Parts: sequence; structure tokens; C-alpha cells
Amino acid sequence: DSGVTQTPKHLITATGQRVTLRCSPRSGDLSVYWYQQSLDQGLQFLIQYYNGEERAKGNILERFSAQQFPDLHSELNLSSLELGDSALYFCASSPSAGGLETQYFGPGTRLLVL
Amino acid sequence: AQSVSQHNHHVILSEAASLELGCNYSYGGTVNLFWYVQYPGQHLQLLLKYFSGDPLVKGIKGFEAEFIKSKFSFNLRKPSVQWSDTAEYFCAVNEENNDMRFGAGTRLTVKP
Repeated sequence: DSGVTQTPKHLITATGQRVTLRCSPRSGDLSVYWYQQSLDQGLQFLIQYYNGEERAKGNILERFSAQQFPDLHSELNLSSLELGDSALYFCASSPSAGGLETQYFGPGTRLLVL
Repeated sequence: AQSVSQHNHHVILSEAASLELGCNYSYGGTVNLFWYVQYPGQHLQLLLKYFSGDPLVKGIKGFEAEFIKSKFSFNLRKPSVQWSDTAEYFCAVNEENNDMRFGAGTRLTVKP
């Protein structure tokens, strides 16, 4: 158990809909990262938040957004969902914003868009 | 652009065989290197990591990896695999700007 929690575990929705994925980092970690794992794209970094502020951006679509709240949990919002958004979404956390440290991964949320 | 390459997409071994999974990266600056494992139906778990010091790092479950800076490589090894090692293995590079990059993954199937 990494100490990172994600809810829900599974999510099934329809195209065009909007969903919110939630992540709680390990106790004391200030950075939260979001990743998407799909069969065709592999594991891709989406975005990082550090202490409430956006820190780094990866291959995140404009239809997707994230935020980190004062209690340091984070939410990833996916809107206007398409079939291709079906994937496993991981959250990870690390103690600080520094680039060179270990990230600890949560169990993931499996999203299926029908 | 910086990238992480795992050249073996699927490796099939028999139990007790030795394993070496290749990982190469293209970034020339300061990096941290990781191997993550994802067992069927489970989430990513850290297998081992290299930050500095001895380039031969030992991880959990008998895995080890060697950082060869001149070759930009961080290959994963295990002398004798078990059926329970069947999983997908991801090499990752964490660069100074905090952008963690993953390789495409190598699926390992160990036949009993």
C-alpha cells in the first residue's frame, strides 16, 4: 500500500459526459501527479500540482483539467468524454516539488466510456 | 525530445531463467531512474530506483539494475525468475524539471 488513495476504482459513463476523479496523496506529500495509461498510448504524464499550484504540464487535453485543494487532495476533471478517453488514470504523490524524487502511485481509476 | 526506450515489448521465459530488460533514455542532464512493476490487475509499484552512488542498485524480490551513464542505460536484471514475476515492467526517468517519463513497458510472461 503506497498511501495514495484514489476514488472511484471504476467508472463507466457515456460519450459527451463529464467525470471527476479524486486523489488523496500520502500524508505529508505536497505534490500530486496525474497519469493516463491506455493500450495505445502507454503511460503518459498529464499534469502536476504542488501545494495547490500547477507545477508542470504534460500531454493533457484541453477537455481535461485538474486542481489541488487546500487539504492537498486533487481532482482530475474529464469533460466531453470520447471513447478514446477510456483508460486507467493514476495519481501519484511525492514530498516536494523537486524534480528528482520518488513518486508513489495510487491504485488507479479505470474509466470506461461507452 | 527526451525519451525512454524499452526495446523488449514482450518477453517469455521459463521459470529459473535469467532476465534482463533493457532501458535507454535520451536525456543528458541529471536524472533519477526507476523501475516500476505492474502485476496483472494491480497498480504500479516501485521495484527499485537510482539517485546517485553505486550504479548497481538492488530492489525488492531479487531484482537489480545497473546504471551505465556512458550508455544512457538502466537495465533490469534478475538471475532466476519465478512464475509470480509475470507482470508488466516500466522504466521511468525523472528529469530535473520534474517531468517523469515512462517507457512503453515490457510484458514479462514466466511459464511454470
